[in-house]
Amino acid sequence: NAGVTQTPKFQVLKTGQSMTLQCAQDMNHEYMSWYRQDPGMGLRLIHYSVGAGITDQGEVPNGYNVSRSTTEDFPLRLLSAAPSQTSVYFCASSYRGPPNEQFFGPGTRLTVL
Amino acid sequence: TQLLEQSPQFLSIQEGENLTVYCNSSSVFSSLQWYRQEPGEGPVLLVTVVTGGEVKKLKRLTFQFGDARKDSSLHITAAQPGDTGLYLCAGDRDSNYQLIWGAGTKLIIKP
Repeated sequence: NAGVTQTPKFQVLKTGQSMTLQCAQDMNHEYMSWYRQDPGMGLRLIHYSVGAGITDQGEVPNGYNVSRSTTEDFPLRLLSAAPSQTSVYFCASSYRGPPNEQFFGPGTRLTVL
Repeated sequence: TQLLEQSPQFLSIQEGENLTVYCNSSSVFSSLQWYRQEPGEGPVLLVTVVTGGEVKKLKRLTFQFGDARKDSSLHITAAQPGDTGLYLCAGDRDSNYQLIWGAGTKLIIKP
């Protein structure tokens, strides 16, 4: 099993550009989530999904969109990148959400100039 | 304002020493988890505690959940360089599908 995979590993964008961060899991987990990690602030939840076709907002959803058309995939879209979105982004999955163990991908380091 | 406050933010000690890091809140959590994160990687679960007063041991690591389920501690005995990393606590409240995360304790163990 590959676990949780994320692409790309690194990305540099200019302000106003759009992009999609990819996340996939092969563990048949119902719950998937996206976090951003900034120095001194821990992990902050952006969006989450409890199953295919169901998504909801987390703590910091503004500027990000998600969809969940399959159990395996949960892409995160930045529609118009801003410097404030410079961060490390982690995708995670778990069997049925907290308090079950969250399995994290390796992260995407995004810089917005 | 962090709902989960971790202390200290940074700790650098010599190999063989003991240490304790803390995760505190004014809110009650139905469960609390500890994760360790190494540079360039995602966090990895160490333990989940669910009962007030619960103590769990993982080799040289001892985790405790406060009686009121508002705080937790992680004690490491005879720290080793392999224990180096960022230790994060995360709490679950009322199963609303959202974990609350602390900012982490960055631990460095010097040989």
